[in-house]
Amino acid sequence: AQKVTQAQTEISVVEKEDVTLDCVYETRDTTYYLFWYKQPPSGELVFLIRRNSFDEQNEISGRYSWNFQKSTSSFNFTITASQVVDSAVYFCALSELGGSNYKLTFGKGTLLTVNP
Amino acid sequence: DVKVTQSSRYLVKRTGEKVFLECVQDMDHENMFWYRQDPGLGLRLIYFSYDVKMKEKGDIPEGYSVSREKKERFSLILESASTNQTSMYLCASSSYMGDEQFFGPGTRLTVL
Repeated sequence: AQKVTQAQTEISVVEKEDVTLDCVYETRDTTYYLFWYKQPPSGELVFLIRRNSFDEQNEISGRYSWNFQKSTSSFNFTITASQVVDSAVYFCALSELGGSNYKLTFGKGTLLTVNP
Repeated sequence: DVKVTQSSRYLVKRTGEKVFLECVQDMDHENMFWYRQDPGLGLRLIYFSYDVKMKEKGDIPEGYSVSREKKERFSLILESASTNQTSMYLCASSSYMGDEQFFGPGTRLTVL
């Protein structure tokens, strides 16, 4: 069965600090997708990134970067020079594509608080 | 602008009532999903639908049913609401399995 673990329940940083959110996953499939979503205080989940299991290239988008390592089954998310607006709950998720198991399994989320 | 809308942001019901939560998407997506979100438990899948009139159980379907009569609309039904169904309910849709899911704003349901 697929599983996503976000070991950090809460992280608190001061503005301009870099912060890394950890995500470790378990799956038996060789074909899968990994996602990160952001849930700001308003409540609506916002898609940040999708990565397929065949693409281990790291990705950078502005202050956001993602490090995907199949060898350690990790898909970590780093925010550089954090800002107060980055305060949110961040979810990592996994979608297997084999068989009929199409569901998206979420981690329990990491609450990030960026203090001014 | 793509959109998933949910009928209510906040809802208060009494134990034993039948509750309908409605979700509508305007992206012509095949797949729709209902999740509940609880503190410390993250998002858990209740039901999903990959086509009109088709549905599949998720991880926690007990106490819930769903209906999808039209492609754009996916309803979650609590046949007899109980206090342990107090939660945030999130609807989502996607164009194909494995694609990103677009989420609605959520309905915070309180059952008294």
